[in-house]
Amino acid sequence: GAVVSQHPSRVICKSGTSVKIECRSLDFQATTMFWYRQFPKKSLMLMATSNEGSKATYEQGVEKDKFLINHASLTLSTLTVTSAHPEDSSFYICSLSRGATNEKLFFGSGTQLSVL
Amino acid sequence: AQKITQTQPGMFVQEKEAVTLDCTYDTSDQSYGLFWYKQPSSGEMIFLIYQGSYDEQNATEGRYSLNFQKARKSANLVISASQLGDSAMYFCAMREGRGGYNKLIFGAGTRLAVHP
Repeated sequence: GAVVSQHPSRVICKSGTSVKIECRSLDFQATTMFWYRQFPKKSLMLMATSNEGSKATYEQGVEKDKFLINHASLTLSTLTVTSAHPEDSSFYICSLSRGATNEKLFFGSGTQLSVL
Repeated sequence: AQKITQTQPGMFVQEKEAVTLDCTYDTSDQSYGLFWYKQPSSGEMIFLIYQGSYDEQNATEGRYSLNFQKARKSANLVISASQLGDSAMYFCAMREGRGGYNKLIFGAGTRLAVHP
């Protein structure tokens, strides 16, 4: 069964509004979650690493005030796209790591964001 | 410099035939991990196979095998007995270093089309 639950799967919003995307671990405690962004027909680009109970670590070029990440519990991380604009339209996907395991990194099903 | 290179933007294969998807990587770390993921049109990322840098044997998972050539820094995915359901995007990814952080760097992907 699914290990990671990501909601919503699709969201359409008006320019200037904020959108929250949830990534939930279903059957284990995830101390670390990752948020990726994928443009159409492109690869996944890591945006940030979400650490439970502490501030997220953002990749170079990713605006932390634009993409707010909250990892308040061991089973939930949220990504909020603040004051969304059409250029923020993209596929956002979370993944989580089961501790120090080097294998299987579990991914959510992704969220397609369209900003009008 | 690109860390993960997938030189085949698109590949096609006849059903029941085998196909090899190429992946080369660049790292100065001694410890690293290599992953292959499948992304169907639905967007989810499906883990296929993992190879650790210290693994002496090539990884295999059912119809998937990884042709790991460390000296050449290549980690090609071989899919045997292709099925129509194998049509999807395939991403090669690398995790550098040790530790509990499975932060992945993805290649550009290869779109595989399986023809009946």
